[in-house]
Amino acid sequence: DQQVKQNSPSLSVQEGRISILNCDYTNSMFDYFLWYKKYPAEGPTFLISISSIKDKNEDGRFTVFLNKSAKHLSLHIVPSQPGDSAVYFCAATGTSGSRLTFGEGTQLTVNP
Amino acid sequence: NAGVMQNPRHLVRRRGQEARLRCSPMKGHSHVYWYRQLPEEGLKFMVYLQKENIIDESGMPKERFSAEFPKEGPSILRIQQVVRGDSAAYFCASSLTGAGVYEQYFGPGTRLTVT
Repeated sequence: DQQVKQNSPSLSVQEGRISILNCDYTNSMFDYFLWYKKYPAEGPTFLISISSIKDKNEDGRFTVFLNKSAKHLSLHIVPSQPGDSAVYFCAATGTSGSRLTFGEGTQLTVNP
Repeated sequence: NAGVMQNPRHLVRRRGQEARLRCSPMKGHSHVYWYRQLPEEGLKFMVYLQKENIIDESGMPKERFSAEFPKEGPSILRIQQVVRGDSAAYFCASSLTGAGVYEQYFGPGTRLTVT
């Protein structure tokens, strides 16, 4: 039962363009969502998060959008840089201080 | 400003041996979580601990796996009688205590290979 799904295993974009990574969830109890970036042989690095009471959160080049009625969120990276090439994981939780449920990840490649 | 520390980074065990993975949380963090990543998959929750307490172990396999977070020292994930299917990357994460705290910060992982 995959409660958090990232349907695109990979995404390739040109440097300077926008990268849009998508995530869908099924569990209505989730009320906080996070994005992590992961390089090979390293642990996930926290990027940005959003509470279900908001529909947008922005931090520099990264913006997360939440559509609660569609149970969908997306991460926008503008402008994309080659150093952004990594696997991006969407995660969700229902309570502070509890487990995260992760999607399968999307491999982003930003071409120079 | 040390982050989450895990050791060893790589561990090779023969089938039937024991594996011990260690995790020291970030300074000031009292919550520890263990996740496992199998090849080509996302991270799966295993167990959530606070000092001397297991809060949620619903993701732990019923046999051979155990975890602890003693009053002093690192958190330990222990796998007894390892099998080839235990080969994976094991990540530890930590977080602060408190309402409204959701972010977890991950260590570099321990890559377990069972031969």
